Amino acid sequence: DAGVIQSPRHEVTEMGQEVTLRCKPISGHDYLFWYRQTMMRGLELLIYFNNNVPIDDSGMPEDRFSAKMPNASFSTLKIQPSEPRDSAVYFCASNRDRVYEQFFGPGTRLTVL
Amino acid sequence: AQSVAQPEDQVNVAEGNPLTVKCTYSVSGNPYLFWYVQYPNRGLQFLLKYITGDNLVKGSYGFEAEFNKSQTSFHLKKPSALVSDSALYFCAVRDLRGSQGNLIFGKGTKLSVKP
Repeated sequence: DAGVIQSPRHEVTEMGQEVTLRCKPISGHDYLFWYRQTMMRGLELLIYFNNNVPIDDSGMPEDRFSAKMPNASFSTLKIQPSEPRDSAVYFCASNRDRVYEQFFGPGTRLTVL
Repeated sequence: AQSVAQPEDQVNVAEGNPLTVKCTYSVSGNPYLFWYVQYPNRGLQFLLKYITGDNLVKGSYGFEAEFNKSQTSFHLKKPSALVSDSALYFCAVRDLRGSQGNLIFGKGTKLSVKP
């Protein structure tokens, strides 16, 4: 298996622009997670899905952030409009069941100018 | 509420010496416990986990961790550190009893191994 796939790997955009991050989880995994990592705040859980249904979005910073999982093999995290404070590395992760470990993607490094 | 504490921001060790990265947890039920490692500019990588059974768990790259229920700890250990072990280490917990699917991560401990 190719592991969790994220695209793009790097994104540089200007304040006010829309940003869409993409994730393909490992086939057969029921859970999908979106995290954000910064030096100041560390690793933060933004939202997670179980069987394509959002379960907990309490970590989503504000209404500018939205996430979807239209099917078992694809998820998006959208920021609109983007702000410089959104600059971070965004990770997607998936796991098969609550017993099992999460597998992380390589991350998307987002820079908002 | 579930929580994980990694009391040390950084651990410095000389190559060849044993290393310990500390982790304590709090859950209402029995815990699933995990250790992850993050190398620079990479995603988190699974090292080992404790679900049930033997309190000493062996994982990747020669790492091991000991589950101590009375002290609610799950310290990561390695008998002989390598310079290549230098990275950021995260402890994580999931409550066995709860319905949550997510892991609670500690804030991470930076391990620095000097030659």
